[in-house]
Amino acid sequence: GQNIDQPTEMTATEGAIVQINCTYQTSGFNGLFWYQQHAGEAPTFLSYNVLDGLEEKGRFSSFLSRSKGYSYLLLKELQMKDSASYLCAVRDNQAGTALIFGKGTTLSVSS
Amino acid sequence: DTGVSQNPRHKITKRGQNVTFRCDPISEHNRLYWYRQTLGQGPEFLTYFQNEAQLEKSRLLSDRFSAERPKGSFSTLEIQRTEQGDSAMYLCASSSPVAYEQYFGPGTRLTVT
Repeated sequence: GQNIDQPTEMTATEGAIVQINCTYQTSGFNGLFWYQQHAGEAPTFLSYNVLDGLEEKGRFSSFLSRSKGYSYLLLKELQMKDSASYLCAVRDNQAGTALIFGKGTTLSVSS
Repeated sequence: DTGVSQNPRHKITKRGQNVTFRCDPISEHNRLYWYRQTLGQGPEFLTYFQNEAQLEKSRLLSDRFSAERPKGSFSTLEIQRTEQGDSAMYLCASSSPVAYEQYFGPGTRLTVT
């Protein structure tokens, strides 16, 4: 089976840096995704990692360690609009092409 | 790029009624997925189409649920004899043949009273 864990809630202030961790257990890992979801809206794609290391995209970076079953999403220069839920998801060859999502981390950014 | 669209955006129905939702994927995407999301949870996979073929179905998809993608373009998800437990956001996503990321539509929020 699959299991994905991420913190339920985090808080941070504008301009700060925040790291959202995700640990996973899968039978046939085939990629890890991060999505952002604002309340009442659809998830939007942020990043994809399939090899170990850091992927940087503007203010957002995502890191993967396959041997540790661990990823993090790093958000720099936080803005109020970054307040949202951040979903970690994996693809598992044993589960086909579907994404298996964690419950999400609700990030609140205050001024 | 018009993105993934879903209709209706909201649906309120009485228990026992049938409902049907529509999803129009991004035009060049041949892969289409349906997910269900309840409050405080991540999306849960329901079913997957590649072109018009339904290739994967979750065990969550009871016999009351059926999905089609007759021409490999838009898809419909029908729920028969709705139950209060079916209340959720139903999300559709699509992806291209050459990329892994899935792009989600705005969802249909179903409320069963």
